[in-house]
Amino acid sequence: DQQVKQNSPSLSVQEGRISILNCDYTNSMFDYFLWYKKYPAEGPTFLISISSIKDKNEDGRFTVFLNKSAKHLSLHIVPSQPGDSAVYFCAASALMHGGLTFGTGTRLTIIP
Amino acid sequence: DAEITQSPRHKITETGRQVTLACHQTWNHNNMFWYRQDLGHGLRLIHYSYGVHDTNKGEVSDGYSVSRSNTEDLPLTLESAASSQTSVYFCASSELGANSPLHFGNGTRLTVT
Repeated sequence: DQQVKQNSPSLSVQEGRISILNCDYTNSMFDYFLWYKKYPAEGPTFLISISSIKDKNEDGRFTVFLNKSAKHLSLHIVPSQPGDSAVYFCAASALMHGGLTFGTGTRLTIIP
Repeated sequence: DAEITQSPRHKITETGRQVTLACHQTWNHNNMFWYRQDLGHGLRLIHYSYGVHDTNKGEVSDGYSVSRSNTEDLPLTLESAASSQTSVYFCASSELGANSPLHFGNGTRLTVT
């Protein structure tokens, strides 16, 4: 049972435009959400996070939005750059639960 | 700079053999984790540790074991390798606290023939 779902395996976006990656979760105990970025042959790297007490968090070109009632979060990247081409994983954690639960990932391709 | 190192980067082994994947971190983090990445499944938690001599099972722990004898290392052992364990394995560490971001190693690609 996939508790964190990324329903779009891939996404292509023109350079300079906005990239929107989506993530849904089913476990209402999740209280912290993170996005990781992964390049080929490397480990995932932390990008941005959001606590369940917030609905938005920004860091430069990256903004994460959380809609708790819909159990949905999204990552906005604007403007998109070629270096943003990577696989993006959504992850969630619950207090007292070991580790993070990851989604299946979305491969983002930025078209020059 | 602090880092987390996995070895080997690539490993090919035969079904039934015991295999150990190494993970070493210099962050001085108490929390360490092992994940496997498979197409269509994302990253799934195998085992984790919150400190020396502490180990816990994750979502897909069958056929795997870990031991934590010091802060820096969390080796992952496949007791009797199976073809279903062909995967890319990632080790990660984090500071104390359930909401601390994980720092990942670059992975070990394991092929079981």
